[in-house]
Amino acid sequence: DGGITQSPKYLFRKEGQNVTLSCEQNLNHDAMYWYRQDPGQGLRLIYYSQIVNDFQKGDIAEGYSVSREKKESFPLTVTSAQKNPTAFYLCASRPLGDDEQFFGPGTRLTVL
Amino acid sequence: AQKVTQAQTEISVVEKEDVTLDCVYETRDTTYYLFWYKQPPSGELVFLIRRNSFDEQNEISGRYSWNFQKSTSSFNFTITASQVVDSAVYFCALSEADGGFKTIFGAGTRPFVKA
Repeated sequence: DGGITQSPKYLFRKEGQNVTLSCEQNLNHDAMYWYRQDPGQGLRLIYYSQIVNDFQKGDIAEGYSVSREKKESFPLTVTSAQKNPTAFYLCASRPLGDDEQFFGPGTRLTVL
Repeated sequence: AQKVTQAQTEISVVEKEDVTLDCVYETRDTTYYLFWYKQPPSGELVFLIRRNSFDEQNEISGRYSWNFQKSTSSFNFTITASQVVDSAVYFCALSEADGGFKTIFGAGTRPFVKA
C-alpha cells in the first residue's frame, strides 16, 4: 500500500536529549513537510523540502534540523535547543505540480 | 501575509442537526487554494476538499457541503444531519501558488455531537 509512515507513534525522551522522528513515503512525492501541532492549535510548519538535498525553514524551525538524502525519507531531529519539544508531529508529502498534501499518522513526542 | 481564522474552537450540536464551521482567510495572492481536513482522535489528517481561487462553485459531498465566497474571504463547511462519528477536529487551510505550496492552517474547530 502506498502511503506515509511515521515511527514511532509515541516517543518519550529525557530533557536535553536529541531525538529523531522518522518519516518515510512510497508515493514518489517530491515535496515533504514537517508540522508541529500543540493542543487547541492548528499545524505550524517546521521545515519543508521540495527536492532531494534541499530544504527550507518554515515558521518555527528553531531547535529543529532535517535532512533529505533520499526522496522517500525526511527525518526530523528535535534538538536540545528546542525549548518546548513536547507536541504532536505530523509529516506530509505532496507530488510536484499538485497542491494537496498527504499526511502521515503522526508521532506524539513527550519530553520528561 | 497569509492567515486563516477559525473563530469557533468547539461547537456543541445535537445529533441530526446541521452544523456550520466557519473559515475566514487572508491572502494577497490572486491564485490560491483552500482546503478542509478532518482530524479524528487517531491524529492523522484526512483530506476532505480542495478549492482553487478561481472556482467559487459550491460543492456537496454526501452530508458535507462547502460554501466559498471570495467577496467575504470565507470558505465555510456545513455538516448536515450530524452524527456522533463527526466529532473530530476540522481544519481549514490556505496555500498560495507562489509560496512553494506552503500551507497555513487555522486553529481548528471541533463539533461536539451529542446523541
